[in-house]
Amino acid sequence: EAGVAQSPRYKIIEKRQSVAFWCNPISGHATLYWYQQILGQGPKLLIQFQNNGVVDDSQLPKDRFSAERLKGVDSTLKIQPAKLEDSAVYLCASRPGGAGLMANEKLFFGSGTQLSVL
Amino acid sequence: QKEVEQNSGPLSVPEGAIASLNCTYSDRGSQSFFWYRQYSGKSPELIMFIYSNGDKEDGRFTAQLNKASQYVSLLIRDSQPSDSATYLCASSGGGADGLTFGKGTHLIIQP
Repeated sequence: EAGVAQSPRYKIIEKRQSVAFWCNPISGHATLYWYQQILGQGPKLLIQFQNNGVVDDSQLPKDRFSAERLKGVDSTLKIQPAKLEDSAVYLCASRPGGAGLMANEKLFFGSGTQLSVL
Repeated sequence: QKEVEQNSGPLSVPEGAIASLNCTYSDRGSQSFFWYRQYSGKSPELIMFIYSNGDKEDGRFTAQLNKASQYVSLLIRDSQPSDSATYLCASSGGGADGLTFGKGTHLIIQP
């Protein structure tokens, strides 16, 4: 079974530039998450999709971050304009279920995109 | 705001000993708790989950949950150098679906 695919693996940009990340979840997985992991910290949820609808984007800095999952499959996360504090690893995760997270339900994480903002 | 607290470490444990990792959480509505292991430069991988008070064992790993004290722990028996990693504690439930992660504890197993 193919895992969660993310690209690019690394990205270096200057502040105020724009950047986009792409995620292709495991086939058939209804729920998709984007997490931001700053060095030395745990992952922080940015946005959660169930199929093509947003379930939770309460921690997404909407003035600069946007995300979409138009056909309920792959997803893009965009930052415009980027700030120095956006330097982090952006992790995409998915799970099969579309309802609430079950106690024994596993999240499948991609390898992440490491963003450096100079 | 939901919070999950962990001591960032590093926690150094001799090979073969028991490593004890601890975590507290602020939201009493949290229902399930997860331990993820993350090697440097890699994505998190699930080790164990627990949602009932008490102990849950899986091989060398034992998760413990005390909802009254809002406390979760992970014990690793017969620690191996390959167990050296950052261990992330996470919670779910309480109205939110996405996991809330702690900062992680950096564990070092000394040969």
